[in-house]
Amino acid sequence: ELKVEQNPLFLSMQEGKNYTIYCNYSTTSDRLYWYRQDPGKSLESLFVLLSNGAVKQEGRLMASLDTKARLSTLHITAAVHDLSATYFCAVESGGGADGLTFGKGTHLIIQP
Amino acid sequence: DAGVTQSPTHLIKTRGQQVTLRCSPKSGHDTVSWYQQALGQGPQFIFQYYEEEERQRGNFPDRFSGHQFPNYSSELNVNALLLGDSALYLCASSLVRDRPYFGPGTRLTVT
Repeated sequence: ELKVEQNPLFLSMQEGKNYTIYCNYSTTSDRLYWYRQDPGKSLESLFVLLSNGAVKQEGRLMASLDTKARLSTLHITAAVHDLSATYFCAVESGGGADGLTFGKGTHLIIQP
Repeated sequence: DAGVTQSPTHLIKTRGQQVTLRCSPKSGHDTVSWYQQALGQGPQFIFQYYEEEERQRGNFPDRFSGHQFPNYSSELNVNALLLGDSALYLCASSLVRDRPYFGPGTRLTVT
């Protein structure tokens, strides 16, 4: 059974600081997603990572994937308050089936 | 281009009742997946429909069933509601093995 673990689950940080969220998964998968969720809202797609060594960047967020270590990271550079949200990583089950297994999410609060 | 739409937005039901939730996929998408998100948790995969058939199923009991119509829209049915079924139900659409796009969700409260 595929398991996805995120850490930390809660993160409070100050504007201007850098931080990294980690996502570990238990079995081989060739597709990893990062989503953002604001309170009471749906999931917004941030990144799709398809291969070992993949790196994607959008604004202050950068995601990377190491399939050998079964690890993805979401790095936040010079955080701003608007990035406060819950961030989820999700992994496809593989084997032709593409239902996603999500981590528990990282609740990020960025304080001025 | 309309994204994924879901109805209703909110719903309150009593234990033991049945509920039907609806989803219209993003234009051009042929695959619909359903997820349950309990408060403070990550979404959990219920099942996926493609070509009007259930293609994959998560670890949910048979009380959860679904349907996909020829126009690719989908319904999620839950029978014999339990208090623990209270959650945000998310529909996601995609092309097969492509990035899923999520709808706004239906908030179900079971009392």
